Amino acid sequence: AQSVSQHNHHVILSEAASLELGCNYSYGGTVNLFWYVQYPGQHLQLLLKYFSGDPLVKGIKGFEAEFIKSKFSFNLRKPSVQWSDTAEYFCAVKEGGYQKVTFGTGTKLQVIP
Amino acid sequence: KAGVTQTPRYLIKTRGQQVTLSCSPISGHRSVSWYQQTPGQGLQFLFEYFSETQRNKGNFPGRFSGRQFSNSRSEMNVSTLELGDSALYLCASSSAKTGGQAGEQYFGPGTRLTVT
Repeated sequence: AQSVSQHNHHVILSEAASLELGCNYSYGGTVNLFWYVQYPGQHLQLLLKYFSGDPLVKGIKGFEAEFIKSKFSFNLRKPSVQWSDTAEYFCAVKEGGYQKVTFGTGTKLQVIP
Repeated sequence: KAGVTQTPRYLIKTRGQQVTLSCSPISGHRSVSWYQQTPGQGLQFLFEYFSETQRNKGNFPGRFSGRQFSNSRSEMNVSTLELGDSALYLCASSSAKTGGQAGEQYFGPGTRLTVT
């Protein structure tokens, strides 16, 4: 069965610090990859997605992620975080051919002003 | 375009009862997925419906069931509620026409179910 690992459960950063959140998955076939964000009191929103093509994907709010097939990874990055980035971030993987999406357990990011 | 709506937003039930949750997808979306979100387990996939047919199913007991109507609206039912069923139940809709298409999912606000 597909599994998705997010190694950082809770990250605390100061404003302007750089961010990298790790995500690894187990499925060896074709995958579609997503990062979702859940701001306090709000519902899940899509940050960015990878379907095919350029492995460096740019999303909203200055976030980007890089798909490294050989490492089964899809890490999320942002050069300079803001207090408004405080939220929980979920990595998700969809196996090609199925609509089932497997989510990681999430990483809570706290940005200190 | 209106987003995914879920009703009710909050629900309190007692053990042994059953509950039905409703989800209205984004107009034109025919795929609806359900997830259970808990602090301990995170987001876990329940099932996915497309054109009134269940296409994918997660690892949940048979007490959890669902259905989809011809207008793509979906309902999820949980029978014989247990304390451990307390969770946020999320519905997501997608424009994916087939299981092979990578339709991104749009999530609703969820229904917070508390079982006492």
